[in-house]
Amino acid sequence: GQNIDQPTEMTATEGAIVQINCTYQTSGFNGLFWYQQHAGEAPTFLSYNVLDGLEEKGRFSSFLSRSKGYSYLLLKELQMKDSASYLCAVMDSNYQLIWGAGTKLIIKP
Amino acid sequence: GAVVSQHPSWVICKSGTSVKIECRSLDFQATTMFWYRQFPKQSLMLMATSNEGSKATYEQGVEKDKFLINHASLTLSTLTVTSAHPEDSSFYICSAREGGREETQYFGPGTRLLVL
Repeated sequence: GQNIDQPTEMTATEGAIVQINCTYQTSGFNGLFWYQQHAGEAPTFLSYNVLDGLEEKGRFSSFLSRSKGYSYLLLKELQMKDSASYLCAVMDSNYQLIWGAGTKLIIKP
Repeated sequence: GAVVSQHPSWVICKSGTSVKIECRSLDFQATTMFWYRQFPKQSLMLMATSNEGSKATYEQGVEKDKFLINHASLTLSTLTVTSAHPEDSSFYICSAREGGREETQYFGPGTRLLVL
């Protein structure tokens, strides 16, 4: 079956760095997405990785290793507004998104 | 960037009534639209995939006669929750894929439905 695993919840301190991991097993691979979702709102796109390596976009970076079925989202210089759920999703061979359950990130002052 | 709108953003209705939710792509042509449902503290659950001009493909366990989907144009898809019941209360989110760009999926802001 298809499976996306990510931690349920993480806590970090304002100004620090946090890494949210995602491992996946899917039928085919057409890219991995990270989305941010604040409570009561729809997800917003953060990143898309289809090739191995690190993609940096401001305070957020996303890494992919296709051979290991592994990705992480790295958030630097954490701000209180970064408190949200972070969703990992993989696009399978049919271009369907397979969603992880999301990681709730709690930022403490 | 690509924009997807949903209307209404909030709806409260009585049990037994039908509710229509619209999803529009504002600045691109969406050949495929997706409808998701999200219950509190849970992840997104795909309900159905609709391609313009054809019947929607429903996920297992989603009743097609209860959740009617129409994708009549390249910029509009509608989800009608028929004979809504309190257990249908949820956050409904649509997303749209731009034609020829399978890697894209732009989300609407969501519609919160409360059935009394």
